[in-house]
Amino acid sequence: KAGVTQTPRYLIKTRGQQVTLSCSPISGHRSVSWYQQTPGQGLQFLFEYFSETQRNKGNFPGRFSGRQFSNSRSEMNVSTLELGDSALYLCASSFGGRPYEQYFGPGTRLTVT
Amino acid sequence: GQNIDQPTEMTATEGAIVQINCTYQTSGFNGLFWYQQHAGEAPTFLSYNVLDGLEEKGRFSSFLSRSKGYSYLLLKELQMKDSASYLCAVRDSKAAGNKLTFGGGTRVLVKP
Repeated sequence: KAGVTQTPRYLIKTRGQQVTLSCSPISGHRSVSWYQQTPGQGLQFLFEYFSETQRNKGNFPGRFSGRQFSNSRSEMNVSTLELGDSALYLCASSFGGRPYEQYFGPGTRLTVT
Repeated sequence: GQNIDQPTEMTATEGAIVQINCTYQTSGFNGLFWYQQHAGEAPTFLSYNVLDGLEEKGRFSSFLSRSKGYSYLLLKELQMKDSASYLCAVRDSKAAGNKLTFGGGTRVLVKP
């Protein structure tokens, strides 16, 4: 069974631009969660989508948004990029009924200059 | 809100045992997770505790005391490949699904 895939793996953007990251969960998984990882703040929860609905949301500004499609693939968007948005963005998928079985993708490394 | 504390770094010798402690303060609790993350890689699930006590899985064991807001991850018979960061995470009881709050991680360095 293929693992969680994220595209692109690396991205360089300029302040003020917007970016869209993509996550394809493991086949059959309906829950996709997004996390931001930085050296200073560690791993922080952004949001979770389950069956195309946002089920949970972390404490991030409205510039961070996401969505999930009917095939469970998910995208997250960051508008008006700031230097502090430079981070590793990880998505994790799970079947939905057993929260501890979360599988992480390799992440997208975003650099904002 | 939630606050999770774990040591920043630990060093141990190959073949030895290391215990990584995690303390948490939460408004609601519905499970504690341990993840392993090698440098440059994604976190991988190690263990899940929701009831008090010890869960053993091969060389790794995890303990939980809900009354003390305390957990530890025990790594036995350390191998060089165990050098990694270990992340403690708590699931919020008020949220359905997978809203996890992570600690800062403990970097474990295994020396020969």
